[in-house]
Amino acid sequence: DAGITQSPRHKVTETGTPVTLRCHQTENHRYMYWYRQDPGHGLRLIHYSYGVKDTDKGEVSDGYSVSRSKTEDFLLTLESATSSQTSVYFCAISDLGLAGVTYNEQFFGPGTRLTVL
Amino acid sequence: KNQVEQSPQSLIILEGKNCTLQCNYTVSPFSNLRWYKQDTGRGPVSLTIMTFSENTKSNGRYTATLDADTKQSSLHITASQLSDSASYICVVSVNNAGNMLTFGGGTRLMVKP
Repeated sequence: DAGITQSPRHKVTETGTPVTLRCHQTENHRYMYWYRQDPGHGLRLIHYSYGVKDTDKGEVSDGYSVSRSKTEDFLLTLESATSSQTSVYFCAISDLGLAGVTYNEQFFGPGTRLTVL
Repeated sequence: KNQVEQSPQSLIILEGKNCTLQCNYTVSPFSNLRWYKQDTGRGPVSLTIMTFSENTKSNGRYTATLDADTKQSSLHITASQLSDSASYICVVSVNNAGNMLTFGGGTRLMVKP
């Protein structure tokens, strides 16, 4: 999984509680992403980061916030979890400037399965 | 709205047989198209990436084709193995930065002995 770890790998929580998911990389890649994957939908981008303290919203950002205080860590926070946020969450990383590469390949972590009761 | 549609949704084949998965997209502008393999309980892993000027790319027993005029791509798997059982996801990027990806829903392939 390209030097990407996610924690926790599984979590069950109750509606209304705050939840923080962590993504940690050892590749020193500039870009980091949070996606969610649900049955019947492709992966959907929640937020992404293009550098320390630089983040932007994705397609489904409502109800989520992120922070990136170090290159290697990207945190996803659900301030008040809802049942609609039950999903599998994937972190991904990518970088530009690799010799001979004109695209930005993304490498995915192992995922976190979150259940909100 | 940018969309990526894949067919079939699921497929069962016998070990050793070939199969072809389809992807149609309406994403614009177009930068590149990717195929990922996702094993159950794991994150997606890249198989191929094709830019606008490429119409075929191989990775072992996997061969992807791209027709940018008709906005169609296919992934052909030759001499399938049990380990090919997975979901295959077609992904289209609107730019080289890769931060604007549109994912298809995937085709779930099961290879039986």
